[in-house]
Amino acid sequence: SQKIEQNSEALNIQEGKTATLTCNYTNYSPAYLQWYRQDPGRGPVFLLLIRENEKEKRKERLKVTFDTTLKQSLFHITASQPADSATYLCALDDTGGFKTIFGAGTRLFVKA
Amino acid sequence: GAVVSQHPSRVICKSGTSVKIECRSLDFQATTMFWYRQFPKQSLMLMATSNEGSKATYEQGVEKDKFLINHASLTLSTLTVTSAHPEDSSFYICSAPIGGRSNQPQHFGDGTRLSIL
Repeated sequence: SQKIEQNSEALNIQEGKTATLTCNYTNYSPAYLQWYRQDPGRGPVFLLLIRENEKEKRKERLKVTFDTTLKQSLFHITASQPADSATYLCALDDTGGFKTIFGAGTRLFVKA
Repeated sequence: GAVVSQHPSRVICKSGTSVKIECRSLDFQATTMFWYRQFPKQSLMLMATSNEGSKATYEQGVEKDKFLINHASLTLSTLTVTSAHPEDSSFYICSAPIGGRSNQPQHFGDGTRLSIL
């Protein structure tokens, strides 16, 4: 069956450290993978998109990798801050790009 | 600022009431919009794809007569939950992809918290 798996356990890290979140997928062949941030009671906000032929993408303190062999994406936040505390969702395209399928997200807590 | 506006943000109503939720794209045209439902600590579940000028495409298991979608203009899609019951209580979120294809980044509304008593 098709699955997108993100660590359901919350990730607690100290301010200044690098947070690394994992997204694994099964039985999908995405051309794109996206990461979103969602705060409680709000809609998700787009962060980064990485294509299947890209190994790595960076934006300010954010870095995403995409390994189509491992069927995995890693999302890194360097020099993390308490304001980075949120739920981070990975999403990939399905059925030729007409749908986006979301993972359940990983909750990140950054302690000052 | 917000590029997709969703209204209302919260609705509390009695069982049997029909509730309409609006999703507007601001400053851009959206021929396609998506409606999602989200339960606590769960992923966004796609309910339907709203297509301007044509019928919506519903996901398997979503009752089209229960969740009526209308996309009458290039900037507005509405979701009406008809004869809502407590099990319909959830967080409903709409989105619009830039460029009209879902593999492009999506801009989401801030969701509607629906509580049916």
